[in-house]
Amino acid sequence: EPEVTQTPSHQVTQMGQEVILRCVPISNHLYFYWYRQILGQKVEFLVSFYNNEISEKSEIFDDQFSVERPDGSNFTLKIRSTKLEDSAMYFCASSQRLAAYNEQFFGPGTRLTVL
Amino acid sequence: GNSVTQMEGPVTLSEEAFLTINCTYTATGYPSLFWYVQYPGEGLQLLLKATKADDKGSNKGFEATYRKETTSFHLEKGSVQVSDSAVYFCALSPALVGAQKLVFGQGTRLTINP
Repeated sequence: EPEVTQTPSHQVTQMGQEVILRCVPISNHLYFYWYRQILGQKVEFLVSFYNNEISEKSEIFDDQFSVERPDGSNFTLKIRSTKLEDSAMYFCASSQRLAAYNEQFFGPGTRLTVL
Repeated sequence: GNSVTQMEGPVTLSEEAFLTINCTYTATGYPSLFWYVQYPGEGLQLLLKATKADDKGSNKGFEATYRKETTSFHLEKGSVQVSDSAVYFCALSPALVGAQKLVFGQGTRLTINP
């Protein structure tokens, strides 16, 4: 069964460093998302991406964040200068069609720890 | 704005017990509603969904009914198994054209003891 994969499973970095989180969405999906979950808090939407551009972003997704689909398979989230409060579990998701009721398929997450 | 509130966890039950996890929402219009489940070490998986009022979503013995009058989408199962131990997330997708983001509740950790 096709699945969304994410690498690495755990990333530890120093404050101020750049990190890139990687995702491989399901191959025939067209819509891609990043969410994050700070420990003990809700899963929060960060950004959605379609046709090589951002469709929607939350207020969390400031200038320190960027997303890219550098080739036909990968979807990346870059944090330019990490802060302590960026420590969280980051989930990538993808969906085949654009509809509010359409299923989003999630990856297992990358745990980011900023020291 | 849009928000989802779930019952506080963790919830611990014995095998074959009846399960209810409460979920209420705040939204404009008619959102779609979802329950996602996360097993240890895995991503969130869609468990069931409902897209309009009075719809009942069901899967793997779990059920939830979209109640517009009470803005609720409570998850139920008549007889839980040890394998149901996981974190359960209630979520909504706003009823706006093109809006596909999910708004999640805080998650409820369920542990089933044999």
